[in-house]
Amino acid sequence: AQSVTQPDIHITVSEGASLELRCNYSYGATPYLFWYVQSPGQGLQLLLKYFSGDTLVQGIKGFEAEFKRSQSSFNLRKPSVHWSDAAEYFCAVGPQSGSSASKIIFGSGTRLSIRP
Amino acid sequence: GAVVSQHPSWVICKSGTSVKIECRSLDFQATTMFWYRQFPKQSLMLMATSNEGSKATYEQGVEKDKFLINHASLTLSTLTVTSAHPEDSSFYICSASRLAAPEQYFGPGTRLTVT
Repeated sequence: AQSVTQPDIHITVSEGASLELRCNYSYGATPYLFWYVQSPGQGLQLLLKYFSGDTLVQGIKGFEAEFKRSQSSFNLRKPSVHWSDAAEYFCAVGPQSGSSASKIIFGSGTRLSIRP
Repeated sequence: GAVVSQHPSWVICKSGTSVKIECRSLDFQATTMFWYRQFPKQSLMLMATSNEGSKATYEQGVEKDKFLINHASLTLSTLTVTSAHPEDSSFYICSASRLAAPEQYFGPGTRLTVT
């Protein structure tokens, strides 16, 4: 079955510290991979995506993620977090189906809190 | 680019009435739009997928007669919650995708409260 697992429900890090949010997926083939961020009461914003090629992808707001096929993982990282990074983060996967948009599967989310 | 808007951002309606939520892609043509429902502190639950000019495809367990979806143009999709009940109170989010592009761009969401 296709699934996305974000094992950490809630993470607290100090401002200026590094961050890694974990994401593992179960899929029949290499999927498209996404990280989205959601601030309270808001929609989701696309942070970055992986389709193919370089396994280390850069996103907005200083985030990056690394695709590791052998581990079925797509962890999100940031070298130094800011208080404004406090939000809910969702990992998502979708099929490489070619021409049309297909539904994507979301993880359960990781809530990030920042300690002053 | 890739901005999606939703209107209204919040709405309160009485039980038994219907409410319509609009989702617009402002700067691109959205061949596919998705409607999600999100409960507090939970992930998104896909309700339906709609392609412009076609009937929506509903996920299992979603009542198509209760949640009417129309995708009449490449920039507008609407979700109508018919005969709303308090248990329909939720945060509804739409997303849109371009042709041949798998990433989805999300609207800001609509908070529906049914009294």
